[in-house]
Amino acid sequence: QKEVEQNSGPLSVPEGAIASLNCTYSDRGSQSFFWYRQYSGKSPELIMFIYSNGDKEDGRFTAQLNKASQYVSLLIRDSQPSDSATYLCAVKDSSASKIIFGSGTRLSIRP
Amino acid sequence: DAMVIQNPRYQVTQFGKPVTLSCSQTLNHNVMYWYQQKSSQAPKLLFHYYDKDFNNEADTPDNFQSRRPNTSFCFLDIRSPGLGDAAMYLCATSREGSGYEQYFGPGTRLTVT
Repeated sequence: QKEVEQNSGPLSVPEGAIASLNCTYSDRGSQSFFWYRQYSGKSPELIMFIYSNGDKEDGRFTAQLNKASQYVSLLIRDSQPSDSATYLCAVKDSSASKIIFGSGTRLSIRP
Repeated sequence: DAMVIQNPRYQVTQFGKPVTLSCSQTLNHNVMYWYQQKSSQAPKLLFHYYDKDFNNEADTPDNFQSRRPNTSFCFLDIRSPGLGDAAMYLCATSREGSGYEQYFGPGTRLTVT
């Protein structure tokens, strides 16, 4: 059974600080990794994807990948109240045309 | 703008009354997915189409069926909805040759009375 593990939270971070979200996965052959943001009652929105080891930055978001440790993280700099949402980590199944979702981490940015 | 569209956005059906949800996309992606998501849970994959090839998840109940008449459209049929089928149903698409990142429609909220 291929799995993606996330801490469910809630993770509470003060406005302006860095939020750090973590994820581990079991499928060693995975090559593609994703972070989705989901507001309550809305559908998931792709915010970052990463394929290579190291860091990938996009605005206030940085995705980090370590394939040897089977670990993916998402950093959100200068956190804003609008960043309060559930963040879903997802990993491409190495043997099928589908992705496996973690259960999500609920992030709350406090003013 | 290229997008994934789901209709209706809200659907109310009676216990046991068949219902069909629809999804269309203008992204020209060859892979389409149907997910079920219940409150505070991750999206649960029901099935996906790789082009015309249908792939059913092992734990998807027989009550759920799908059709993909062409590249742009995909339908989810629930033959006899039970109270436990009340959920958000999400359609997503991805493209072979990319990293398979998926793009979601807005979802259909299904209520069963």
